[in-house]
Amino acid sequence: EADIYQTPRYLVIGTGKKITLECSQTMGHDKMYWYQQDPGMELHLIHYSYGVNSTEKGDLSSESTVSRIRTEHFPLTLESARPSHTSQYLCASSEYIGLAGGRGLVQFFGPGTRLTVL
Amino acid sequence: AQRVTQPEKLLSVFKGAPVELKCNYSYSGSPELFWYVQYSRQRLQLLLRHISRESIKGFTADLNKGETSFHLKKPFAQEEDSAMYYCAPRGRKTSYDKVIFGPGTSLSVIP
Repeated sequence: EADIYQTPRYLVIGTGKKITLECSQTMGHDKMYWYQQDPGMELHLIHYSYGVNSTEKGDLSSESTVSRIRTEHFPLTLESARPSHTSQYLCASSEYIGLAGGRGLVQFFGPGTRLTVL
Repeated sequence: AQRVTQPEKLLSVFKGAPVELKCNYSYSGSPELFWYVQYSRQRLQLLLRHISRESIKGFTADLNKGETSFHLKKPFAQEEDSAMYYCAPRGRKTSYDKVIFGPGTSLSVIP
């Protein structure tokens, strides 16, 4: 089934550790995104990608890095986790789909990874 | 600069009452406008798009280009409408397909 997967769903880790948040999609989308969201708060775009070997930083400065070696895989890495990195991280992909009134760019979101850095 | 505001962080209404979630945007050109919704313990998902001019789950959204607003409305709120709502414009002339999300409004429908 076409979907977006994020692992782990929850992660509690100590300061200074290197972590990688995984995001995979089986929807065949070229465009993928990472957002940071504190509970009940707004989403901040931290990274996006148009396709393989394409990555750009988003609006919110982040110490994380991303890679896009395969279309379906868009992992996010923190080299040295800090308590300020505690947040929820949402992965998304998008494509133009037919909607009433014409094609529109729609984003599809994963379930999120809730990261806590102690 | 591209900017979207949702003036109400929290909005509580009684079941059966009308509800309006406000969204104002500042964008060059004519952005494509969306509302996304996040129900408790569910993923963020598309609710509706302004071009569609259709009612989704009883919600409609009016685009007012003069006031640059895109308010979401429903005549009779239901308990299952309780969720977080995000207004999301997308510039048509951007060189990348990026959607800006507003800060969100948490809607609580009181039984």
